[in-house]
Amino acid sequence: DADVTQTPRNRITKTGKRIMLECSQTKGHDRMYWYRQDPGLGLRLIYYSFDVKDINKGEISDGYSVSRQAQAKFSLSLESAIPNQTALYFCATSDRGLWPYNEQFFGPGTRLTVL
Amino acid sequence: GENVEQHPSTLSVQEGDSAVIKCTYSDSASNYFPWYKQELGKGPQLIIDIRSNVGEKKDQRIAVTLNKTAKHFSLHITETQPEDSAVYFCAASIGNAGNMLTFGGGTRLMVKP
Repeated sequence: DADVTQTPRNRITKTGKRIMLECSQTKGHDRMYWYRQDPGLGLRLIYYSFDVKDINKGEISDGYSVSRQAQAKFSLSLESAIPNQTALYFCATSDRGLWPYNEQFFGPGTRLTVL
Repeated sequence: GENVEQHPSTLSVQEGDSAVIKCTYSDSASNYFPWYKQELGKGPQLIIDIRSNVGEKKDQRIAVTLNKTAKHFSLHITETQPEDSAVYFCAASIGNAGNMLTFGGGTRLMVKP
């Protein structure tokens, strides 16, 4: 969805490096999410945020941290990257209305390779 | 927590045939079941969803069925077209858990012309 952008789109890094993935949205949504996608495992939730002051761990938060700089921006950091963090990472947003039946809108993804 | 299993992992059909993808979930409290389609190089996009008070929902060539007793739900695509080729994900959500979606492992659908 063009309203949710992710940077960079591709990144190759080395073990031990710190890396930040950024997500911005123009949909005006309160809720933002970070997922990772691995073949056969679907999408797994890393962190989610319901507003700027509300950040929560998801299913697989170990090794990751996040920052919600503004309603429109949600960043994911890998403090010390390791090879098994090689994956496709997606940011998503949803509106608080009609909860819990909210559609999630996904960005185009960031392909991260850790050597 | 919730566990969602999805089958098959790959599915190849001839154009014009039907395709069925099945998912099972573990938590009987789940009450929202969306399906997302992911085209190559893009993020997933919602194509249809169903809530626990409905057994079946249709939208043109796609339909979803839900069996709460058996805890499974399915996606049906009729008259498949090459543009239906994509990865499809089912998901389940428990309403009071803040709209957290648990996704299945995905099905790669290939429609051969």
